Amino acid sequence: DAKTTQPTSMDCAEGRAANLPCNHSTISGNEYVYWYRQIHSQGPQYIIHGLKNNETNEMASLIITEDRKSSTLILPHATLRDTAVYYCIVRVDMGAQKLVFGQGTRLTINP
Amino acid sequence: GAVVSQHPSWVICKSGTSVKIECRSLDFQATTMFWYRQFPKQSLMLMATSNEGSKATYEQGVEKDKFLINHASLTLSTLTVTSAHPEDSSFYICSARAERESNTQYFGPGTRLTVL
Repeated sequence: DAKTTQPTSMDCAEGRAANLPCNHSTISGNEYVYWYRQIHSQGPQYIIHGLKNNETNEMASLIITEDRKSSTLILPHATLRDTAVYYCIVRVDMGAQKLVFGQGTRLTINP
Repeated sequence: GAVVSQHPSWVICKSGTSVKIECRSLDFQATTMFWYRQFPKQSLMLMATSNEGSKATYEQGVEKDKFLINHASLTLSTLTVTSAHPEDSSFYICSARAERESNTQYFGPGTRLTVL
């Protein structure tokens, strides 16, 4: 599975949009981009995933560049409860099923 | 989304004893479940892949005789830490693959094990 690069930490003001970048320049054509987050002392929570088209659900939006070498997770109106470590993972959907977690981005939402 | 539970949420045991942790997929069937371990201020590390009705596949460096995995049904996988020692104290998290949702993995809330 392709390696991802994320900033170690980010801050965002409550109520503003939080934009979390992820670089995956070696991604293969059949690899999906997954986003999970982990709030302190809890199991990771699935947020969203996509292949090449932008995706949106009730939690977030995922913007994938046309060359698929990077993506951005957008939390449109961040709240204090969005403070967590956010993990960007690329993985082939079928076949190899493992999720390999990097260090992620520690997002802090400030009041 | 799909719901995964773990039991217990925390456990304290004496050194040398064995501890069993259960992972259940509550509203879907999972032929494949995964077990992770997370030490303080570190990321999740995959320990093993659990397949229903067959032997688990362990990651390199994980002792299969120490961390026994049983996946006897499509909704339950168990991890038994045998002869636990203080260095086994960690946060153990399971996940289950939801085939009905594009094989997305959903995680349990985790089990904090403290070995005295």
